Amino acid sequence: EAGVVQSPRYKIIEKKQPVAFWCNPISGHNTLYWYRQNLGQGPELLIRYENEEAVDDSQLPKDRFSAERLKGVDSTLKIQPAELGDSAVYLCASSPSFDMNTEAFFGQGTRLTVV
Amino acid sequence: AQSVTQLDSQVPVFEEAPVELRCNYSSSVSVYLFWYVQYPNQGLQLLLKYLSGSTLVESINGFEAEFNKSQTSFHLRKPSVHISDTAEYFCAVDGGSQGNLIFGKGTKLSVKP
Repeated sequence: EAGVVQSPRYKIIEKKQPVAFWCNPISGHNTLYWYRQNLGQGPELLIRYENEEAVDDSQLPKDRFSAERLKGVDSTLKIQPAELGDSAVYLCASSPSFDMNTEAFFGQGTRLTVV
Repeated sequence: AQSVTQLDSQVPVFEEAPVELRCNYSSSVSVYLFWYVQYPNQGLQLLLKYLSGSTLVESINGFEAEFNKSQTSFHLRKPSVHISDTAEYFCAVDGGSQGNLIFGKGTKLSVKP
């Protein structure tokens, strides 16, 4: 069974440019997460989806970040415009449901470098 | 608010030596605790978790962690490490109604021959 797939794996952009990340969760997983991991830090939640509904986006910088999960499957995370401080690894994870008894599976992440 | 402190950013050990990766948490409510591992060029994987019941939990590859409520700790241990255990280990907590994982900064375990 395929795991959580993220693309691209790496992205280098100039500041003020837009960028988008794509995530394909494990089939049948209703819950999808986007995390950001800064260098030397642990992942921090940006947004959580239950099916197509964003149920926790309190940590998403809404002035420049947006996300969507059309049809409750794939998801995209966008930054526009990117800033130098956005350089980080962006992780997508999915789980069957929002329940601590179920495991969240993580993708390999997208490493963003803003120059 | 919940938080997690991993006291060691890097832990170098020799193969077959014991290891302990320390994790302390703060929470005003009952917690669920997790250890995730990230091998080189791979995504985070769940290693073990404590939800309730026995305070000692084990993974399939010989790691164990003990939930200590009085010391607010969830240290990860292995009596004899292998080269293949080289990875970064993240402790995480979920507490209360927030329900989302809060991660520590990670500990890089480097096992040398």
